[in-house]
Amino acid sequence: EAGVAQSPRYKIIEKRQSVAFWCNPISGHATLYWYQQILGQGPKLLIQFQNNGVVDDSQLPKDRFSAERLKGVDSTLKIQPAKLEDSAVYLCASSQTGGEGYEQFFGPGTRLTVL
Amino acid sequence: GDSVTQMEGPVTLSEEACLTINCTYTATGYPSLFWYVQYPGEGLQLLLKATKADDKGSNKGFEATYRKETTSFHLEKGSVQVSDSAVYFCALSPSNDYKLSFGAGTTVTVRA
Repeated sequence: EAGVAQSPRYKIIEKRQSVAFWCNPISGHATLYWYQQILGQGPKLLIQFQNNGVVDDSQLPKDRFSAERLKGVDSTLKIQPAKLEDSAVYLCASSQTGGEGYEQFFGPGTRLTVL
Repeated sequence: GDSVTQMEGPVTLSEEACLTINCTYTATGYPSLFWYVQYPGEGLQLLLKATKADDKGSNKGFEATYRKETTSFHLEKGSVQVSDSAVYFCALSPSNDYKLSFGAGTTVTVRA
């Protein structure tokens, strides 16, 4: 079974530029998550989708971050404009929903460096 | 709000030594508790979990017991191998939700 795919794996940009990350979840997983992991910290949830609807985006800095999940499958996370403090690894995860099926499976992440 | 506090690292051990990583939590109700592991160059993966008090999760020789009276979920392994070198994260999800709150992570290095 293919895992969660993310691209790119690495990205370096200047501050005030924009950047986008892509995630393809495990086939059949209805729930998709984006996390931000700053160096030395645990992942922090940014946004959670159920199919193509947003369940929770309370931790998403909406003045600069946006995310969408087209057709309830792939998702993109965008930052515009980027700040130095956005340097982090951005993790995508997916899960089935309901009962014991809520284990989250993580992708390899995209490491963003903002200069 | 819900939170997890885990032992700071880094931790360096010799092969076959015992490993314990402490994890305590703050949450209302009855959260589910998890340990995730991140091997070098790989993504986070679930190591073990426990969904109710006194449950013991186990996998790959690791164990952790959900202790509600001490709000703890310490990770233990009796004899570590070089291949156990990784970053370990304790996490919880609230009883009525699937969102994960992670601790800061503990880096473990096992030397041959």
